[in-house]
Amino acid sequence: GQQVMQIPQYQHVQEGEDFTTYCNSSTTLSNIQWYKQRPGGHPVFLIQLVKSGEVKKQKRLTFQFGEAKKNSSLHITATQTTDVGTYFCAGGTDTDKLIFGTGTRLQVFP
Amino acid sequence: IAGITQAPTSQILAAGRRMTLRCTQDMRHNAMYWYRQDLGLGLRLIHYSNTAGTTGKGEVPDGYSVSRANTDDFPLTLASAVPSQTSVYFCASSVRPAGAYNEQFFGPGTRLTVL
Repeated sequence: GQQVMQIPQYQHVQEGEDFTTYCNSSTTLSNIQWYKQRPGGHPVFLIQLVKSGEVKKQKRLTFQFGEAKKNSSLHITATQTTDVGTYFCAGGTDTDKLIFGTGTRLQVFP
Repeated sequence: IAGITQAPTSQILAAGRRMTLRCTQDMRHNAMYWYRQDLGLGLRLIHYSNTAGTTGKGEVPDGYSVSRANTDDFPLTLASAVPSQTSVYFCASSVRPAGAYNEQFFGPGTRLTVL
């Protein structure tokens, strides 16, 4: 079946360092969504990418959708302690369901 | 209420017992979902409903059942709980089916422990 893998599984950074998580699908995706889950909380929608090669920015966060629509990345510039949490990508499929990635847990040390 | 509510917040359950997790949304969303979240495995879809009166199986449906009698409610039932069903369960909804470019809104989750 369709799979969406994320790497790394965990990342510990010093505050101010950059962070990137990568998302790879075994099949072509219709769209990709990113969610953030704070510790003890629930996933919250961040953004959606639809077009091949699309890049979107939200303040210090940069989201990219690959040319083949099979991979995506989230880059955070100059991390802050408020960035702590688990980041999930989720790929849209031809069966109208989202396949969630395994998530990357980010820990930021002050 | 606003958004999605889930009940109970947490539950400890003896193996073999029947349990229903409740989920209610007040956003009039057509589609609703149940996920389980386990460490290292991310969010896995259990069952979904694209509209009231219809349901479908997700990635890990065995041992679970759902119903969608109306737009607002989407209960998840474990007929005979087993320890491998220990997990955090999230209910979610979207205006239309999520794969079709619609973001999902998640409830606060239910932490279930089966002993």
